[in-house]
Amino acid sequence: SQTIHQWPATLVQPVGSPLSLECTVEGTSNPNLYWYRQAAGRGLQLLFYSVGIGQISSEVPQNLSASRPQDRQFILSSKKLLLSDSGFYLCAWSVLAGGFSYNEQFFGPGTRLTVL
Amino acid sequence: LAKTTQPISMDSYEGQEVNITCSHNNIATNDYITWYQQFPSQGPRFIIQGYKTKVTNEVASLFIPADRKSSTLSLPRVSLSDTAVYYCLVGGVQGAQKLVFGQGTRLTINP
Repeated sequence: SQTIHQWPATLVQPVGSPLSLECTVEGTSNPNLYWYRQAAGRGLQLLFYSVGIGQISSEVPQNLSASRPQDRQFILSSKKLLLSDSGFYLCAWSVLAGGFSYNEQFFGPGTRLTVL
Repeated sequence: LAKTTQPISMDSYEGQEVNITCSHNNIATNDYITWYQQFPSQGPRFIIQGYKTKVTNEVASLFIPADRKSSTLSLPRVSLSDTAVYYCLVGGVQGAQKLVFGQGTRLTINP
């Protein structure tokens, strides 16, 4: 069966510090991978998605970046965190079957980031 | 991507049937309608997806009228554990999916 891991679960960082959040997927090959952010009481905002190694699409211009060094590994980074980067970060994966993904994405447990 | 409109919140009681309606007036011909459920401090979980008429699975039913400008998620005999935020999303199913989550409907089930 497929599983998705995210770490750390919680993180408190000072403004201006770097960030690295990691997401890995097990039990599937060549998944589509996604990073979302959810501010308190709000819906999810898509930040990045990737259809393959080294292929990253950015949805929202900001001080965050994403990388996919391996097929099932997705990393979210920042060189200098802002207060507005606080939120709940979720990684998700989906699979293409015959070119169709049926809008079903599987989400990880999330990382709650607080920037002080 | 088609925009969706849902009630911000709903309240119901255990054992009742709950219907959450979503409006998507600008739905495109190749768009599917998908519903997710999210509990606090967890990622959303896929509930159901449909294109037209009615779809039913073990947890919910999805009713879509002929014009597809709205859809209704039906939860039969809810329990306290159904308290969550429910998101309606509309989009195509080809390629990588850029799901657009609105604010959703916060459903509270009371004893």
